[in-house]
Amino acid sequence: DAGITQSPRHKVTETGTPVTLRCHQTENHRYMYWYRQDPGHGLRLIHYSYGVKDTDKGEVSDGYSVSRSKTEDFLLTLESATSSQTSVYFCAIRGRGTNAEAFFGQGTRLTVV
Amino acid sequence: AQSVTQLGSHVSVSEGALVLLRCNYSSSVPPYLFWYVQYPNQGLQLLLKYTSAATLVKGINGFEAEFKKSETSFHLTKPSAHMSDAAEYFCAVSVPGGSQGNLIFGKGTKLSVKP
Repeated sequence: DAGITQSPRHKVTETGTPVTLRCHQTENHRYMYWYRQDPGHGLRLIHYSYGVKDTDKGEVSDGYSVSRSKTEDFLLTLESATSSQTSVYFCAIRGRGTNAEAFFGQGTRLTVV
Repeated sequence: AQSVTQLGSHVSVSEGALVLLRCNYSSSVPPYLFWYVQYPNQGLQLLLKYTSAATLVKGINGFEAEFKKSETSFHLTKPSAHMSDAAEYFCAVSVPGGSQGNLIFGKGTKLSVKP
């Protein structure tokens, strides 16, 4: 299995609080991604990174920010969590090239109450 | 922009029957295509991928998919379903030379296998 770890695996938080999810890789892949998975919507890209300090928005980036200060770590922050951000969040890593497959973490189940 | 459509959010087959999961793509250039499987409470795992070599691609667990440019399709098949195939399956598309941020997934098809 690709070396990719997400933490925490489960979290319950209150509306309005900040939340940070962490993705850690040991594969030295350049590209890292955050997706959210919701029933009926499949996987939707939130943000991705193409290098240290280099990030770009995906299709559902509102309300989320990311940071990548080291190759191995990609953080997803919900500045002020809302109930609509209750979801399962997946991190993925990918080698160079648009023919490269992505490898996924085990996911973080986030519940905002 | 590329997109992918999976026809049927749920598919149910009997054990031993043919599995056919449909994926159609939209892309201005011949894309790269991927099929992933997700078992309950797990991340996604790659089943197979098409990267412009052979149009018939064989993957893990007896699955295969055929790239048909004329039909803009990349359907996933397995001759004989096993109970262990019950999972959710995702088709994804990426465009050669495009942004690596553009790995776009379909909405998924949940496969049920009846004994």
